[in-house]
Amino acid sequence: ETGVTQTPRHLVMGMTNKKSLKCEQHLGHNAMYWYKQSAKKPLELMFVYNFKEQTENNSVPSRFSPECPNSSHLFLHLHTLQPEDSALYLCASSQDKREYTDTQYFGPGTRLTVL
Amino acid sequence: GQSLEQPSEVTAVEGAIVQINCTYQTSGFYGLSWYQQHDGGAPTFLSYNALDGLEETGRFSSFLSRSDSYGYLLLQELQMKDSASYFCAVRDMNTGFQKLVFGTGTRLLVSP
Repeated sequence: ETGVTQTPRHLVMGMTNKKSLKCEQHLGHNAMYWYKQSAKKPLELMFVYNFKEQTENNSVPSRFSPECPNSSHLFLHLHTLQPEDSALYLCASSQDKREYTDTQYFGPGTRLTVL
Repeated sequence: GQSLEQPSEVTAVEGAIVQINCTYQTSGFYGLSWYQQHDGGAPTFLSYNALDGLEETGRFSSFLSRSDSYGYLLLQELQMKDSASYFCAVRDMNTGFQKLVFGTGTRLLVSP
């Protein structure tokens, strides 16, 4: 148990659907992240939030819309996705100590399939 | 930019020792991290090296040579539960401390 939870664990959606992924961290961290993990590819950072403020948008298409209402919760709103968006979406958090060893703690991920 | 290279797969038997290599190219270096991920699970932090040399944590050790832009993860006394993917990662200092750039991962298969 890493202290970072994600729901749902699995999601199947059509290209016209709208859905949201939820992440919650119970570690008292200040920074939260969304990553995309596709088969045979490195983890790709999508978004970073620091104290609820977005500090990084890694050129992610607008069909992915993040929301961070507080330091403990992070959402990823999905709409009009494409089949190539099917992947494992991982949430992570860190203390954001601005130190080299600011370890990131990952949730179990949401396995998304877009039909 | 940053790039990291790892072997895609390594196989070994229980009780053996295995080394997973990682070479990197970065515009600014602030340490090499290693993460483990079991199938269907979350990546979990294993180790971090900021300086040259070997860091040991139980059966796992991590080594760094900054002059060679190279590091490795050493797993000793392998157990079946060590079968997982292992990722090396560096910080992208172009955008600050928070962006981790990951390698493609090495899948370790441990057989009886």
